[in-house]
Amino acid sequence: EVQLLESGGGLVQPGGSLRLSCAASGFSFSNYGMSWVRQAPGKGLEWVSAISGRGGTTYYADSVKGRFTIARDNSKNTLYVEMNSLRAEDTAVYYCAKDDSGYDWNRVYYQYGMDVWGQGTTVTVSS
Amino acid sequence: DIQMTQSPSSLSASVGDRVIITCRASQGIRNDLGWYQQKPGKAPKRLIYVASSLQSGVPSRFSGSGSGTEFTLTISGLQPEDFATYYCLQHNTYPWTFGQGTKVEI
Repeated sequence: EVQLLESGGGLVQPGGSLRLSCAASGFSFSNYGMSWVRQAPGKGLEWVSAISGRGGTTYYADSVKGRFTIARDNSKNTLYVEMNSLRAEDTAVYYCAKDDSGYDWNRVYYQYGMDVWGQGTTVTVSS
Repeated sequence: DIQMTQSPSSLSASVGDRVIITCRASQGIRNDLGWYQQKPGKAPKRLIYVASSLQSGVPSRFSGSGSGTEFTLTISGLQPEDFATYYCLQHNTYPWTFGQGTKVEI
């Protein structure tokens, strides 16, 4: 069974830093891209960042570019996001999610978005 | 960035009703769209991928259609467990973007 378990959330002061982790199991972690998605209290879903299977390619939302860094350790089946210069508006539940992607029978790459999500970890930025 | 405009933002319905939710993309995204259901305090769950393919284990009363810029999620015969918030997601171009969500209420 595919499982994702986030950790590392908590209360942090504005301007502070936090690192979230996502432990993956039940699939070949290095074969799949991964994403972080967040949800502010009472708000909708916001895609935050993504990383390729081998970690060589990363993507960020404009709202976090330059402040957040996504990374992965395939030897530990773990995804990370390092969050710096945190702001009140970064307060949210942070979910990690697995890409539904790969190569079909004809060796054509496909990308079908995110199929499995973790349960989330809460980050609160407040003084 | 591609903007996803989802409508309505909320709707009231009854058990057995047919519900249609729409997402419009600001530019063509082929069929690179998924639909997600989220219940309070829970992680989102994918219902539909590539616009019209039903996720394994999801009841057949859920269906998706569309391509390019216009997409719909249809729930045929609303059940009590379907009262939730629904989101579309485009994964054609980074940054990926979600619609604003549609809350389906009694």
